[in-house]
Amino acid sequence: VQLVQSGAEVRKPGSSVKVSCKVSGGTFSSFPISWVRQAPGQGLEWMGRIIPLLAKPKYEKKFQDRVTISADLSSNTTYLEINSLTSDDTAVFYCAREGGGAIFGAFDPWGQGTQVTVSS
Amino acid sequence: DIQVTQSPSFLSASVGDRVSITCRATRPISNFLAWYQQKPGKAPELLIYGASYLQNGVPARFSGSGSGTEFTLTISRLQPEDFATYYCQQLHTYPWTLGQGTKVEI
Repeated sequence: VQLVQSGAEVRKPGSSVKVSCKVSGGTFSSFPISWVRQAPGQGLEWMGRIIPLLAKPKYEKKFQDRVTISADLSSNTTYLEINSLTSDDTAVFYCAREGGGAIFGAFDPWGQGTQVTVSS
Repeated sequence: DIQVTQSPSFLSASVGDRVSITCRATRPISNFLAWYQQKPGKAPELLIYGASYLQNGVPARFSGSGSGTEFTLTISRLQPEDFATYYCQQLHTYPWTLGQGTKVEI
């Protein structure tokens, strides 16, 4: 299984960005995909997840007002959209597949990461 | 929310050392704990799942232990490629939460 993310983005404050994560080489629909944020020099923060077949995302409270996670079964791709960007949103965003019961839900594999820079 | 706290935040060690990192959860999480390794500029990689199970391809010098609220990642003989940042993560209760990271430095 491989997760391939879209390329780096630069956005102005107040705008939005949509990052993609394409899953290849494995079952897409039934394994949850999570999104994780890493601000510069900081740790990892879980943002939310989606089970593509159910298309019902779950969000961490601090992100739920400005973030939308979606999935497209036809292209085996999940998306992370962030609205009303501020400089605090400058970060690397990772997608990761939750491995299911066999590995106690751990995240494996991960995408390569997408750098989002918010600057005027 | 269940918080997970790692200690120490920084660890200075030498090649060949045995090192241990602790992760404590604010409520019992059974063994729904994972450990990841992250090198600069790279995505995290899964080392340990279910608190003590070694992911395929991970060297046997890595081991995990613990259950409930206290967990340990041990590297039995530190190798040059092990200098990295390590994170624990609880997968027992939403929202999934990660520790703040432990940077292992030379």
